[in-house]
Amino acid sequence: TQLLEQSPQFLSIQEGENLTVYCNSSSVFSSLQWYRQEPGEGPVLLVTVVTGGEVKKLKRLTFQFGDARKDSSLHITAAQPGDTGLYLCAGEVTQGGSEKLVFGKGTKLTVNP
Amino acid sequence: KAGVTQTPRYLIKTRGQQVTLSCSPISGHRSVSWYQQTPGQGLQFLFEYFSETQRNKGNFPGRFSGRQFSNSRSEMNVSTLELGDSALYLCASSLSGLFGYTEAFFGQGTRLTVV
Repeated sequence: TQLLEQSPQFLSIQEGENLTVYCNSSSVFSSLQWYRQEPGEGPVLLVTVVTGGEVKKLKRLTFQFGDARKDSSLHITAAQPGDTGLYLCAGEVTQGGSEKLVFGKGTKLTVNP
Repeated sequence: KAGVTQTPRYLIKTRGQQVTLSCSPISGHRSVSWYQQTPGQGLQFLFEYFSETQRNKGNFPGRFSGRQFSNSRSEMNVSTLELGDSALYLCASSLSGLFGYTEAFFGQGTRLTVV
């Protein structure tokens, strides 16, 4: 069962455009992380959001955690070719008495110069 | 400080063989998780070890196993390899909720190709 749905699955835009990626679930998460992965490499953590309604900014990237802690969004302003990559969201759930991360399938972003 | 180190980076094996992958976590991290990543299924959780004990397990067959040593280094073993086991295997270490939430730090992965 895929707990986290990411949309869109693919996104190809021109340099300078804005975009938003969504991460949705029917489950409540204790925290949610966003990662960026480049081909052949492991995902790199971008941000962690913990509180419902929380907004975090990382330069041109804005991350928001839904009020009910079931969804999140990533907004990129004035995208650059260096933003190209696979963006993954991961929700933290408790299973078997310990925490585990559940990942969405990712949004593959291509920013064309 | 050094990040998560996975070895080897690339591996080619024949169907029916077995393989062992290694992961050295960030110093001080006691939790190590393993994931399988394929284009169709995305990142799928295999298992997590904490202080040498398996705490969580995903929905993979028994051919997939792992262990963790006292220095937190972990190994993952896949026996009787199948073509469908071809994937990027990722290891992640974390402080496991020390600050009230879990953040995973990934290695570069091992690209396994089964022929």
